[in-house]
Amino acid sequence: AQKVTQAQTEISVVEKEDVTLDCVYETRDTTYYLFWYKQPPSGELVFLIRRNSFDEQNEISGRYSWNFQKSTSSFNFTITASQVVDSAVYFCALSEFMYGGSQGNLIFGKGTKLSVKP
Amino acid sequence: ETGVTQTPRHLVMGMTNKKSLKCEQHLGHNAMYWYKQSAKKPLELMFVYSLEERVENNSVPSRFSPECPNSSHLFLHLHTLQPEDSALYLCASSQRRYQETQYFGPGTRLLVL
Repeated sequence: AQKVTQAQTEISVVEKEDVTLDCVYETRDTTYYLFWYKQPPSGELVFLIRRNSFDEQNEISGRYSWNFQKSTSSFNFTITASQVVDSAVYFCALSEFMYGGSQGNLIFGKGTKLSVKP
Repeated sequence: ETGVTQTPRHLVMGMTNKKSLKCEQHLGHNAMYWYKQSAKKPLELMFVYSLEERVENNSVPSRFSPECPNSSHLFLHLHTLQPEDSALYLCASSQRRYQETQYFGPGTRLLVL
């Protein structure tokens, strides 16, 4: 069963628009970590954020912000005032505790392709 | 060099060739990973090494053979590949095996003819 769902396959926005990328996860563990990675056309996955299950505070880093809600098992990512350089595939990932059934491996969603047009 | 590096960045090989992919991490990490990313199955974990020992092999065909001579280097030896093995091969490393942030290299784009 898929444990990380990124329902939005592709999103297209115009520069300066705000955009939210959705991520819903499933786990039975009480201790887990959530991640977001960015994959530009060059191919490298760039780490953006890591959040543990006990910290539900929202986080802001420049134009990026993350909304973690355990009640809805969601970890959404918002880009404010999007720019062309934000065009990439964004992956949400889950890391359960070592006995959580996934042997502690990163479980990736299928990714959301974001296109920001000038 | 910083972070995780991979060579070559692009590789074209025939089905009878033997080639190797190289990954090097400059982060002092103890765990390293090989992932395969293709259009059909994004981001498949292939192998995991922790403290230079292979701790996971996700049912990968034997035509892929990993090697981890030390904690900084990871190789993926390729032989008699199939066209469906064409993909982006990504290497990653993390401080420890579990629940640590994985840092990825730029990948090797492999085309098997």
